[in-house]
Amino acid sequence: EAGVTQFPSHSVIEKGQTVTLRCDPISGHDNLYWYRRVMGKEIKFLLHFVKESKQDESGMPNNRFLAERTGGTYSTLKVQPAELEDSGVYFCASSQNRGGYNEQFFGPGTRLTVL
Amino acid sequence: LAKTTQPISMDSYEGQEVNITCSHNNIATNDYITWYQQFPSQGPRFIIQGYKTKVTNEVASLFIPADRKSSTLSLPRVSLSDTAVYYCLVGDGGYSSASKIIFGSGTRLSIRP
Repeated sequence: EAGVTQFPSHSVIEKGQTVTLRCDPISGHDNLYWYRRVMGKEIKFLLHFVKESKQDESGMPNNRFLAERTGGTYSTLKVQPAELEDSGVYFCASSQNRGGYNEQFFGPGTRLTVL
Repeated sequence: LAKTTQPISMDSYEGQEVNITCSHNNIATNDYITWYQQFPSQGPRFIIQGYKTKVTNEVASLFIPADRKSSTLSLPRVSLSDTAVYYCLVGDGGYSSASKIIFGSGTRLSIRP
C-alpha cells in the first residue's frame, strides 16, 4: 500500500511568488491534515480536512495560505504571496475515519525555501 | 491539552536499552499517551500508544505508572538506525475524528557505534 506522498520534495522561490504544494493521502483515508515546521520551531498544525470539507483550519497563519481538497482525494496548499517567514517543512498526514484509534500517517514533507 | 516535558536530547550506544521519560502532570482522565518517531528528512511516524500500565509492540515498550503523570518509552538494544527525534504526545489519542496532533520539541536521540 502506498503511503502519503507529497510534491514537490523541495521548492525554492522568491518572496512574493506563489507556490502550490500537493499531498496525496493514503487511499480511503477521509482525514487529511497539514502541518509545518518553520526553522527552529516545533511542528505546528495548520488544518484538517474530512473528505472535501475543512474540519478545522485554526492553525492557518493568515489569508496568504489557501488549502483545498477537491473531491476528497488529494489536497493542495497554496501560499500566495510567499514571505520569508513561510520557509520551512510542510507535512501532510492522513488517517482513516473509523471507530478506535486513528493513527496519522505522515508524508515525507515539502521543504519550502523563500528567498 | 496536557503539556508534556521531555529531555531535549539523549545519547546512547548501540546495543544499549534507552529509556526516554516524559512528564505530563496535567493529564486528563480520557487522555492517551502516544509516541511518535521522526527520522531525518522524513515525517513523524507512530510507534506506540498507551493509557496505563505497560504496552509493548515490536518496536518499543511504554511504561505508565498508576498516577499517569509520566511515561517512559523504552527502546531495547538500540541500533544506529534508532537515531531520531521522539515526541511524547498526550491527548485523546486519535479516537476523535478531529484529533490534530500537538507536537512538543521532542527528544533528539543520538546513537553512537
